[in-house]
Amino acid sequence: KAGVTQTPRYLIKTRGQQVTLSCSPISGHRSVSWYQQTPGQGLQFLFEYFSETQRNKGNFPGRFSGRQFSNSRSEMNVSTLELGDSALYLCASSFGDNNPPNEQFFGPGTRLTVL
Amino acid sequence: AQKVTQAQTEISVVEKEDVTLDCVYETRDTTYYLFWYKQPPSGELVFLIRRNSFDEQNEISGRYSWNFQKSTSSFNFTITASQVVDSAVYFCALTETSGSRLTFGEGTQLTVNP
Repeated sequence: KAGVTQTPRYLIKTRGQQVTLSCSPISGHRSVSWYQQTPGQGLQFLFEYFSETQRNKGNFPGRFSGRQFSNSRSEMNVSTLELGDSALYLCASSFGDNNPPNEQFFGPGTRLTVL
Repeated sequence: AQKVTQAQTEISVVEKEDVTLDCVYETRDTTYYLFWYKQPPSGELVFLIRRNSFDEQNEISGRYSWNFQKSTSSFNFTITASQVVDSAVYFCALTETSGSRLTFGEGTQLTVNP
């Protein structure tokens, strides 16, 4: 069974640009969550999508957005990039049941560097 | 608000030593779930265990064991007879019943030296 895949693995952008990251969940998983990992702030939840709808959202500005397609694949977009957006962006998938919550399986991440 | 604290930033041990990673959490929910994840240098978080707030039974899985104590809001993780391959960052995380939003601790960098 294939794991969670994320593309691209590495990305270099300049301030002011926008970027789109992609995540393909494990087959059968309907929930995709995104996390940002930085040395200063650690791992922080961005948002979760379930059946093409945003189900949960973290405390990030509106420059961070996402969407989910009918095949459960998800994309995350960051507009008007800032230096502080440099981070490892991790995607996690699960079946999406919340009672109890399923364990989340993480992808290898996309390393974004903003210059 | 939920919070997870891992006070140990870095731990260094010699192979075959036992090591315990501490995790203390805060939550107002009566039902919640605790997790441990391992992050090797490759970056991918690997799920290790999930425990719900009603199950305080300790668990052992091979060289790994977990001690959940609701009275002290702690969920500690012990590796027995550590190995070099155990070297990684270990994260403790918390979520409430209603969602899959994980609140992570700061992580503990474990280095096992040969």
